[in-house]
Amino acid sequence: AQSVTQLDSHVSVSEGTPVLLRCNYSSSYSPSLFWYVQHPNKGLQLLLKYTSAATLVKGINGFEAEFKKSETSFHLTKPSAHMSDAAEYFCVVSELDRDDKIIFGKGTRLHILP
Amino acid sequence: DTEVTQTPKHLVMGMTNKKSLKCEQHMGHRAMYWYKQKAKKPPELMFVYSYEKLSINESVPSRFSPECPNSSLLNLHLHALQPEDSALYLCASSQVVGTIAYEQYFGPGTRLTVT
Repeated sequence: AQSVTQLDSHVSVSEGTPVLLRCNYSSSYSPSLFWYVQHPNKGLQLLLKYTSAATLVKGINGFEAEFKKSETSFHLTKPSAHMSDAAEYFCVVSELDRDDKIIFGKGTRLHILP
Repeated sequence: DTEVTQTPKHLVMGMTNKKSLKCEQHMGHRAMYWYKQKAKKPPELMFVYSYEKLSINESVPSRFSPECPNSSLLNLHLHALQPEDSALYLCASSQVVGTIAYEQYFGPGTRLTVT
């Protein structure tokens, strides 16, 4: 069975400092993993995806994520935070088996301090 | 065009009303989704249509009735809702190649309030 755990419900960083949002997953097969961002009262926007190609995935707005199978992790990083990055971030796992499911993490609220 | 549109943006309805939410995409995607999102929570999957056929129904109450009239349109018909159904309703679409593991494109949502 699939599951996804976002380890922090809130993360605060200062503008210009690195961002790390943590995500661990469990999957019995070969998962696809995604990070989405949601700004207040908006829909979700795809930041990046991993689908069994390169383990280091580059996304939009300077975000990256690294798929580490040994650690079952897919953490989201950005070298330098910007005020516009303040939003809710969701890690999502989707698995290729007969019970196709899309599982959302509970979300991490990213706060950017001036 | 990578946009998913949803109408209306806001909807207030009484518990005896019947209303519909609409979603449209022109990306050629053959999978479309309805999600319900409560405040400070992740989206919850309600329905998935694949090639205009209902493929997933996540045990949603019958007062929610989805419809996919063609490959570009998705409706959610609402009847006799309860106040706890108040939420942001999100529509999404994606490619389909035998799975639902492709990235989804989300609309901006309809903010529904049931009084």
